[in-house]
Formats: sequence, structure tokens, C-alpha cells
Amino acid sequence: AQSVSQHNHHVILSEAASLELGCNYSYGGTVNLFWYVQYPGQHLQLLLKYFSGDPLVKGIKGFEAEFIKSKFSFNLRKPSVQWSDTAEYFCAVEEYGNKLVFGAGTILRVKS
Amino acid sequence: DAMVIQNPRYQVTQFGKPVTLSCSQTLNHNVMYWYQQKSSQAPKLLFHYYDKDFNNEADTPDNFQSRRPNTSFCFLDIRSPGLGDAAMYLCATRADDRGSSYEQYFGPGTRLTVT
Repeated sequence: AQSVSQHNHHVILSEAASLELGCNYSYGGTVNLFWYVQYPGQHLQLLLKYFSGDPLVKGIKGFEAEFIKSKFSFNLRKPSVQWSDTAEYFCAVEEYGNKLVFGAGTILRVKS
Repeated sequence: DAMVIQNPRYQVTQFGKPVTLSCSQTLNHNVMYWYQQKSSQAPKLLFHYYDKDFNNEADTPDNFQSRRPNTSFCFLDIRSPGLGDAAMYLCATRADDRGSSYEQYFGPGTRLTVT
């Protein structure tokens, strides 16, 4: 079964700083990859997804992620974070049978 | 708005007292999931329904059961909650359609406390 590693559990940034959150999954083949975000007090919602095609995918709110097959990675980036980006971010891989395997999450706090 | 609704948002139960959590959806999705999320951990899949077909994860304890009486509703029953079952329980739905986005849509969760 897949496993997903998120490199940092807590990240603190100042507004306008650049963000990169690491995500690695355990084995290859055809994978569907996701980043979900959970804002304080809200439900998990999709930021972006990769199924095939261009490995650089763009999501909502200025986020993007790059799929690097050789590194089993799907890192999330944003060039300039805002205070409203404070949230918990989850990377996930879709396994056979339409099941999501999540990473442990990264809590991002943006200082204003 | 089409959405996934979970009731209650907070549930307190006593050790060993059966409890039922509910999930409903207006998305008309045929796949429904239940996840358990403990503090500072990843959501962990307990089981899912593909239409009426129930799919249990191998490591889901027998203490956890589920019912899906129709497309819109799905229930999570915990027969004898232990202290270790205190967690956030997330319901999610997905359309199984080649034209779909493969995205799972999550409800707000039910936070279960066991006393």
C-alpha cells in the first residue's frame, strides 16, 4: 500500500514569503495526486490535483504543485503567501479502488 | 448548494455506549467514505461504499460498522466506543464517472469525545 510523507509538520512564514511544502509517496506507477487544505474550523477542500499531462498543475488561490515522477514527489508551492493561507495542508495519493492515502499534514502559520 | 453534511458536529459518548454518526449528501455521488482522523495525524480510511457495495479496510476494527440505506445517507456505528476511538470522523463522497474530476468532497466532520 502507498504511504505519503510530508516533510514538515509545522511551518511559520511571514506574509509575502515563498512557500514550498514537500510531499513524497512510496511507489510509482500511475498515480493520481492531490493537495487538500483545511482552514481553521472548516472542512477539507481541494487545492489542486494531478492525473496526467503537464506535471506543473495550478490550483486555487495561486497555489501550484509539480509532479516529479523520478522523485515520487508532488511539492506544493506559492510564490507569496498571505495571512489567509494559514491552514493545514494535506497531500494525498489515490490508490487502486479510488481510496485516498493522506500524509500527516503540514500546519502553516502566516504571520501578518 | 450541493454539499456533504455531518451530524452532529460534536458528539460526547460514554465508554462502551453505542454511538451513531450520520452523513448526508446532496451531490448524488455513488461513492461514500468514512475516515478517522486523530489529533495531528492523517485521515485514515475506515471503509467506503460503492453504491450499496460495502468495502471494509483490512485494519478497521470490528467495533466500527456502517450502513447506507440510500444514496444520500451513510451512517457510522461504533458499537462499544473506547477511549482510543476519540477522534474526528470525516465523511466524503465521490462521483464514479469517467468524466468526473475524481475529487472527494468532504463534510465538516464529527468530533467524537469518549468519557
